[in-house]
Amino acid sequence: DAGVIQSPRHEVTEMGQEVTLRCKPISGHDYLFWYRQTMMRGLELLIYFNNNVPIDDSGMPEDRFSAKMPNASFSTLKIQPSEPRDSAVYFCVAGGGFMDTQYFGPGTRLTVL
Amino acid sequence: DAKTTQPPSMDCAEGRAANLPCNHSTISGNEYVYWYRQIHSQGPQYIIHGLKNNETNEMASLIITEDRKSSTLILPHATLRDTAVYYCIVASLPLSNDYKLSFGAGTTVTVRA
Repeated sequence: DAGVIQSPRHEVTEMGQEVTLRCKPISGHDYLFWYRQTMMRGLELLIYFNNNVPIDDSGMPEDRFSAKMPNASFSTLKIQPSEPRDSAVYFCVAGGGFMDTQYFGPGTRLTVL
Repeated sequence: DAKTTQPPSMDCAEGRAANLPCNHSTISGNEYVYWYRQIHSQGPQYIIHGLKNNETNEMASLIITEDRKSSTLILPHATLRDTAVYYCIVASLPLSNDYKLSFGAGTTVTVRA
């Protein structure tokens, strides 16, 4: 099992551009989470899905952020338009398996200039 | 808002046991204690979790007090590769819609040779 796969691993973009982060979770895990991490705010939960259905998006900072999970093997987090304060590492996480653990992907480091 | 309190940092000698404390005085009956760690530039990694009994796996041991208001993560023989930020988290089972992990600031553990 390759674990959670995220792409791209690094993204540098200019303010105002649309950014799409992608995630391929681990099969068999019913939950998918998106977190972001910054030095100032630490790890923050943005949104999570259960069986492809969004359950809690209260952590999504603004309407500029949106997330989708069209099927069990793919999810996206989109920021439109992006701003410098969105610069962070974004983690996709698979969870809810039998052992109740969460498996973090390697993260996407986003830099918005 | 994290429901746990951890010391911000601690040092440990290589080869010795590292005992990481965590206070969670407001833990409710259906909440588990989870421990994760994050090595620099990587995503958080699951270590162990428990409800009220002590738990042990190949990575660590988890000791939970009888009143469940605090716990200790024990790394039996710390190595330099154990240098990381360790997060203590309380969260409920995935069967409820409240299944999400809220990361606090954690404890930065530095293992010294």
